[in-house]
Amino acid sequence: DQQVKQNSPSLSVQEGRISILNCDYTNSMFDYFLWYKKYPAEGPTFLISISSIKDKNEDGRFTVFLNKSAKHLSLHIVPSQPGDSAVYFCAAFDSGTYKYIFGTGTRLKVLA
Amino acid sequence: DSGVTQTPKHLITATGQRVTLRCSPRSGDLSVYWYQQSLDQGLQFLIQYYNGEERAKGNILERFSAQQFPDLHSELNLSSLELGDSALYFCASSVRPGGGYNEQFFGPGTRLTVL
Repeated sequence: DQQVKQNSPSLSVQEGRISILNCDYTNSMFDYFLWYKKYPAEGPTFLISISSIKDKNEDGRFTVFLNKSAKHLSLHIVPSQPGDSAVYFCAAFDSGTYKYIFGTGTRLKVLA
Repeated sequence: DSGVTQTPKHLITATGQRVTLRCSPRSGDLSVYWYQQSLDQGLQFLIQYYNGEERAKGNILERFSAQQFPDLHSELNLSSLELGDSALYFCASSVRPGGGYNEQFFGPGTRLTVL
């Protein structure tokens, strides 16, 4: 039962263009959504998060959009840089159970 | 460097054996989380401790157990190991026990190989 899904295992984008990573969820009780970035041989690092009561949160080049009716969120990276090449995990937090549920990740490759 | 340390970095053992993975959280962080990442899988939440007490439990097998000690370091014990337990095990820490703005800091992981 995968409550958080990242249906695109990989994505390639040209440097300078926009990268859009998508995430779908099934549990309407999730309170927060988070994005983490992971480089090889390292642990994930936190990027950005959004509360379920908001529809957008922006931090520099990174913007997360939340569509509650569609149970969908996306991470936009503009402009994309080669250093953004990594695996991106979407995660959701359920304050009822105190659990973080992670998706399977999307591997982003930014081409120079 | 996230400030979270995990030892050992690599562990190779045989089926049926027992191993202990260790995690030291960032200074000041009271919460510790354990995750398992198998090949091509996402991060599976195993268990969380907050200030020494178990706070949340995920899909942790009965063969696995964990604890958080008074100095806040944590250990994950895996016993009766099976081939399918081969994975990367991550520890993360945070100041608070949960919430969307409760950033988790991840360690570099322990790669467990069961032969």
